[in-house]
Amino acid sequence: DSGVTQTPKHLITATGQRVTLRCSPRSGDLSVYWYQQSLDQGLQFLIQYYNGEERAKGNILERFSAQQFPDLHSELNLSSLELGDSALYFCASSEGRGNTEAFFGQGTRLTVV
Amino acid sequence: AQKVTQAQTEISVVEKEDVTLDCVYETRDTTYYLFWYKQPPSGELVFLIRRNSFDEQNEISGRYSWNFQKSTSSFNFTITASQVVDSAVYFCALSEAGTGRRALTFGSGTRLQVQP
Repeated sequence: DSGVTQTPKHLITATGQRVTLRCSPRSGDLSVYWYQQSLDQGLQFLIQYYNGEERAKGNILERFSAQQFPDLHSELNLSSLELGDSALYFCASSEGRGNTEAFFGQGTRLTVV
Repeated sequence: AQKVTQAQTEISVVEKEDVTLDCVYETRDTTYYLFWYKQPPSGELVFLIRRNSFDEQNEISGRYSWNFQKSTSSFNFTITASQVVDSAVYFCALSEAGTGRRALTFGSGTRLQVQP
């Protein structure tokens, strides 16, 4: 058990809908990262938050947004969903701003139908 | 820009064989970190190791060993006496510490199948 908790584990939704994925980092970790794993693109970095502030952006679509709350949990919001957004979404946390070991949650498998 | 290449898409071995997974990386940063993660069939990503660019010492942890060679920009992973439980997809990843990106850049992964 990595200590990173993601909910829900599975999500099935229709095109055009909006969903929210939730992540609770390991105790004491200030950084939260979101990654997307799809068959086409592999594992891709989406966005990082550090202690409540956006730290870095990767290949995140404009339809996607995230935030990190004062209790350090994070949410990834995906809107106007398309079939191609079906993927496994991982949250990871680490102690500092980066480069330390990142521990991953079990992922949320999103299926858009 | 940073890049990680895992040229082996899939490897199949018989239990007790040794197997090496290759990883080649590209970065302009002089300070960077390399990682290996394991993704078993259950889907989670399990951290295995992190090495920084200043430490080229090879590392051994049980049946796992890692060979970091800056001269060839490689960070290869060897499993000795493989077991069925080693069957998984293994990812190599890079993180830059300078002005580069600190989030992980992953390779495309190598699927390892260990047959009994």
